Amino acid sequence: SQLAEENPWALSVHEGESVTVNCSYKTSITALQWYRQKSGEGPAQLILIRSNEREKRNGRLRATLDTSSQSSSLSITATRCEDTAVYFCATDADQGGRALIFGTGTTVSVSP
Amino acid sequence: EAAVTQSPRNKVAVTGGKVTLSCNQTNNHNNMYWYRQDTGHGLRLIHYSYGAGSTEKGDIPDGYKASRPSQENFSLILELATPSQTSVYFCASGETGDSDYTFGSGTRLLVI
Repeated sequence: SQLAEENPWALSVHEGESVTVNCSYKTSITALQWYRQKSGEGPAQLILIRSNEREKRNGRLRATLDTSSQSSSLSITATRCEDTAVYFCATDADQGGRALIFGTGTTVSVSP
Repeated sequence: EAAVTQSPRNKVAVTGGKVTLSCNQTNNHNNMYWYRQDTGHGLRLIHYSYGAGSTEKGDIPDGYKASRPSQENFSLILELATPSQTSVYFCASGETGDSDYTFGSGTRLLVI
């Protein structure tokens, strides 16, 4: 079963536009993380947002968390071609909070 | 710079053969993880470890063994490789509660 799931499956935008990826999860969490994975590389952490936080920013990135609806979003403003990647949300809901469970990811394509 | 290093980067193995994937971390993290990534499944947890000498089963441990001989090193062992184990394998290190994970660059395994 999928404990975390991103939507939509894929997005395409032009440079300079904003894009938002959504995540829904199924169990209580202590934190939710957003990762970016570029082709041929391992995932890289973007933002960690704890269950008592509602919003977190990191440069052009903004993550929100709504524990009542068990959902999160990641927004990227002023997108660049190098933002092209797969974006994952991950929760610490597995193995007693000791391991991350990832969704299947959203592919974001940014064109010139 | 703290890092997670995987070897080899690419491996071709014969069905029924033994395969060992290695991972080294310089983050001084207690926890280390092995995930596999397949199209449509995101990253799935195979085994993890809380420290030297410990190994725990993740969500999909069948057909895999793990070994943590030291704080820095964590290996994934396929005693009898099968074509269904063809995948990209990622190692990660992290700390419970902090959840600041660092991933390696991955090992691409092809079992023929």
